[in-house]
Amino acid sequence: SAVISQKPSRDICQRGTSLTIQCQVDSQVTMMFWYRQQPGQSLTLIATANQGSEATYESGFVIDKFPISRPNLTFSTLTVSNMSPEDSSIYLCSVRVGQYYEQYFGPGTRLTVT
Amino acid sequence: KQEVTQIPAALSVPEGENLVLNCSFTDSAIYNLQWFRQDPGKGLTSLLLIQSSQREQTSGRLNASLDKSSGRSTLYIAASQPGDSATYLCAVGLYNQGGKLIFGQGTELSVKP
Repeated sequence: SAVISQKPSRDICQRGTSLTIQCQVDSQVTMMFWYRQQPGQSLTLIATANQGSEATYESGFVIDKFPISRPNLTFSTLTVSNMSPEDSSIYLCSVRVGQYYEQYFGPGTRLTVT
Repeated sequence: KQEVTQIPAALSVPEGENLVLNCSFTDSAIYNLQWFRQDPGKGLTSLLLIQSSQREQTSGRLNASLDKSSGRSTLYIAASQPGDSATYLCAVGLYNQGGKLIFGQGTELSVKP
């Protein structure tokens, strides 16, 4: 298993600003993922972040809007840039562990953009 | 394109009842299937992981089954308790894509005392 923490747990931001979300894991992992959960919706994958390489973004998500860093095997950040009210969501990081690819999730960051 | 559907969207049962949550997927070429629980405003808790070669997994009062050929999985909860109230999410891990997960919309379960 893996224990994941995220900072901040929640934030209220103004339109046009940026927020960086941190994700810390208690063990070294190769693959980390960032998801978005819009109000009343299920989870959608934003990107996959492997240490030492550029993040891979899903259709509909771009690096300029959601830059990701992965400086080591236990840490990653996601930045939500030039925010608009449509970016109000819960952002979750997850990690893939073990040979059977089980995924574990952090507690999420609840973002409100006004 | 893989699509995951969960039925019902919401379910309310009295305490003690046994219940079944359903998950269906359109492409049987999956790597695994994972069931999660999400409490309001919280992250996801992994409940059970079924590999594509397995038929079922059990943990305590929970039993998950997988039928790849028909594109279905069920989560059986025995002797439900008010503490089981949460949203249950089914997620399919894609084959040859590093286990990337595609989520269903979830079933919101309420267990009444």
